[in-house]
Amino acid sequence: QSVLTQPPSASGTPGQRVTISCSGSSSNIGSNYVYWYQQLPGAAPKRLIYRNNQRPSGVPDRFSGSKSGTSASLAISGLRSEDEADYYCATWDDSLNGPSFGGGTKLTVL
Amino acid sequence: QVQLQESGPGLVKTSQTLSLTCTVSGDSMTSANFYWSWIRQPPGKGLEWIGYVYSSGSTYYNPSLQSRVTMSVDTSKNQFSLKMTSVTAADTAVYYCARNLDYWGQGTLVTVSS
Repeated sequence: QSVLTQPPSASGTPGQRVTISCSGSSSNIGSNYVYWYQQLPGAAPKRLIYRNNQRPSGVPDRFSGSKSGTSASLAISGLRSEDEADYYCATWDDSLNGPSFGGGTKLTVL
Repeated sequence: QVQLQESGPGLVKTSQTLSLTCTVSGDSMTSANFYWSWIRQPPGKGLEWIGYVYSSGSTYYNPSLQSRVTMSVDTSKNQFSLKMTSVTAADTAVYYCARNLDYWGQGTLVTVSS
């Protein structure tokens, strides 16, 4: 049982905009920065978003993050076939005194 | 750019101790107050935080694994380590080391089998 709640799956067609949600509580998302990762099959998670909405260099601006209260979202615009992957949210949890993760969302590009 | 690399046996026998080391390059582990984590991912499943260590040696463990986990740091080698005792098949996973939630290693698969 993951601390953060994500939908297990999401889908879209090429060119569409897709959003993935991440729900938490006041002890995690509500009071800490949110990170988003993309994990391609057989690879390590790649950081897409940090500090709620910041993109590391090299991450396309098609990827954007937002946070409101105890929830966060990752939006992917101009969907491409190479975006098909698992996506995870993460944040610090004050109750756990450590990082917590979402269960992951499998994105399918139809 | 900081880089992390996990190393250790890929196969551990049931009931024995899993030992992994993470080597950090590109920055000193003592350059700032980062926490250095171990995170694992069982095949086909999500991510689980195991614990973390500061360069001072202070450690914090996931309560669900606390009784079996020990982490340590060797700043002279820019390395930190994980030991997990009494492993079972449920501990089979890809093990990642990470700096805060920003930089991750590529991961190493550890299989537990008799």
